[in-house]
Amino acid sequence: GGIITQTPKFLIGQEGQKLTLKCQQNFNHDTMYWYRQDSGKGLRLIYYSITENDLQKGDLSEGYDASREKKSSFSLTVTSAQKNEMAVFLCASSIEGDTQYFGPGTRLLVL
Amino acid sequence: GEQVEQLPSSLIVQEGASVLINCSYTDSASVYFPWYKQEPGKRLQFIIDIRSNMERKQNQRLTLLFDKKTKHLSLHITATQPGDSAIYFCSAISSGSWQLIFGSGTQLTVMP
Repeated sequence: GGIITQTPKFLIGQEGQKLTLKCQQNFNHDTMYWYRQDSGKGLRLIYYSITENDLQKGDLSEGYDASREKKSSFSLTVTSAQKNEMAVFLCASSIEGDTQYFGPGTRLLVL
Repeated sequence: GEQVEQLPSSLIVQEGASVLINCSYTDSASVYFPWYKQEPGKRLQFIIDIRSNMERKQNQRLTLLFDKKTKHLSLHITATQPGDSAIYFCSAISSGSWQLIFGSGTQLTVMP
């Protein structure tokens, strides 16, 4: 089996700050994803990447950048954190469009 | 684009009861429907899936029914236990797409 790790576990930022979240997987999956989970809502896709150096926008990409430097890692950057923003960011990986496996999440709070 | 609606948003039952979680989708090109469970403080965990060429799939106490005509799925959990308490998410993906669309989740609480 494999595992997905996300760092940091908790992220506290200031309004306007650029914040970077990291994700690593050892499943050897080609495709990786970043989702945002807000309380009372489902997961919404921010970015995904079907192979190294590929980037595809999801429905929620505005305000975010992503980077897939190598197959095992996928980074997400909040370009300008919004005051009072609070959400959980989930990373996932899969073989093409098949079952996705999720990381534990990064909890973001912007003061 | 695809939309996935999930009902109810919350359920509270006594241990041993059966529950039904319903999910409907809009895109007739959707072909794969994985379901996930999220326990408090834990990561999303894949629990069961079904493809559009099937009508029913069972995994122990979980039964997933799929109706392609009505674009409807239902997850039946029997003999519930307190350990089943979690948020359950249905999702859908279209043929040739990598984008999984999630429902808003059902918060299940099983009282001992």
